[in-house]
Amino acid sequence: RKEVEQDPGPFNVPEGATVAFNCTYSNSASQSFFWYRQDCRKEPKLLMSVYSSGNEDGRFTAQLNRASQYISLLIRDSKLSDSATYLCVVKDSGNTPLVFGKGTRLSVIA
Amino acid sequence: NAGVTQTPKFQVLKTGQSMTLQCAQDMNHNSMYWYRQDPGMGLRLIYYSASEGTTDKGEVPNGYNVSRLNKREFSLRLESAAPSQTSVYFCASRQTGINTEAFFGQGTRLTVV
Repeated sequence: RKEVEQDPGPFNVPEGATVAFNCTYSNSASQSFFWYRQDCRKEPKLLMSVYSSGNEDGRFTAQLNRASQYISLLIRDSKLSDSATYLCVVKDSGNTPLVFGKGTRLSVIA
Repeated sequence: NAGVTQTPKFQVLKTGQSMTLQCAQDMNHNSMYWYRQDPGMGLRLIYYSASEGTTDKGEVPNGYNVSRLNKREFSLRLESAAPSQTSVYFCASRQTGINTEAFFGQGTRLTVV
């Protein structure tokens, strides 16, 4: 079983829609959680960290549920420029590497 | 604002040839990583270096070697390239800490024919 699992999509949504992505992780000792964004043929870039109490950055809201071991990302009022692949990322404590999910592809359509 | 620099950006190799992918970061980060990305497979960790002088295997290390030359540089070597190593390779670096961000290079598109 993959450590971090995501629905691969694609999610095709109209502009202005609200879309939610979920991600589950298998290691209950995981300590750090992130969402990265990757545009086509580009490198991944940090979208936002995910904190235990949940956090918001403009149109983006991230939530963490430790009991159920899942992370979510909500995008409100989708823009064409939000079209990308969204990667769920998890890290254990100590000098362990980041573990990436396979990503969820989002296409926002005019 | 160089960040993480990878070279080369593109490379075509014949089966059996060797090459080294170079990566350098100017952010004084302790940790550096090499990932490969294939369609439908996501980012898979090849090797990582938690600090200068240490390296560890990741999920898919076979066919690769690495060198953490100093704090700035972390190279990936393919001794005898195989078509299965055709992929996009990303180097990343990250400072030690719980919620610190990983920064990626622009990637190397490698084709082995």
